[in-house]
Amino acid sequence: EVQLVESGGGLVQPGGSLRLSCAASGFTFSSYWMSWVRQAPGKGLEWVANIKQDGSEKYYVDSVKGRFTISRDNAKNSLYLQMNSLRAEDTAVYYCAREGLAVAGAFDYWGQGTLVTVSS
Amino acid sequence: QSALTQPPSASGSPGQSVTISCTGTSSDVGGYNYVSWYQQHPGKAPKLMIYEVSKRPSGVPDRFSGSKSGNTASLTVSGLQAEDEADYYCSSYAGSNNFVFGTGTKVTVL
Repeated sequence: EVQLVESGGGLVQPGGSLRLSCAASGFTFSSYWMSWVRQAPGKGLEWVANIKQDGSEKYYVDSVKGRFTISRDNAKNSLYLQMNSLRAEDTAVYYCAREGLAVAGAFDYWGQGTLVTVSS
Repeated sequence: QSALTQPPSASGSPGQSVTISCTGTSSDVGGYNYVSWYQQHPGKAPKLMIYEVSKRPSGVPDRFSGSKSGNTASLTVSGLQAEDEADYYCSSYAGSNNFVFGTGTKVTVL
């Protein structure tokens, strides 16, 4: 069974940093692109970043470029999101999502999310 | 990277059909056949319902169908059931390994 479990969320002050983790199991993690998607309270979904299978390519939404860094450790079946210079508008539930192989251009499995609150 | 436009709400009685639109541009919806749809119940993670415009993942009822014309994609839920009441989001590949989601539609089963 495919499982994605996020951790690392919490309350952080504006300008602070936080590192999110996503533990993957039930599939060959190293074979898939992986993404982070966020959802501000009461708002819609927003794609944040993704990373290629071997970590050689990384892409970001404009609003987080230069502040967030996506990475992965295939030996540990883990995905990460380092978030620096956090702003109030980064407050959201952050989901880890797998980009499907058989379902091109779509996210076929999602974690339950971890809440990040940026507030003083 | 502007969000795709969806109507805020849609509704129908049990057994009826509801169609949700998702309007983008030629740089996303109109440019690629990589439109997907997600169902999200309150407090839950999104669930993939449709990918590549009109394909259903295993386990998704055939009451759910998708289509696209130009820069607008659509999701139709036929034979509405109480459990279909949820938020629905479209998503499109937007080139350069970027993705964009829709603004979301709350579907109410009357």
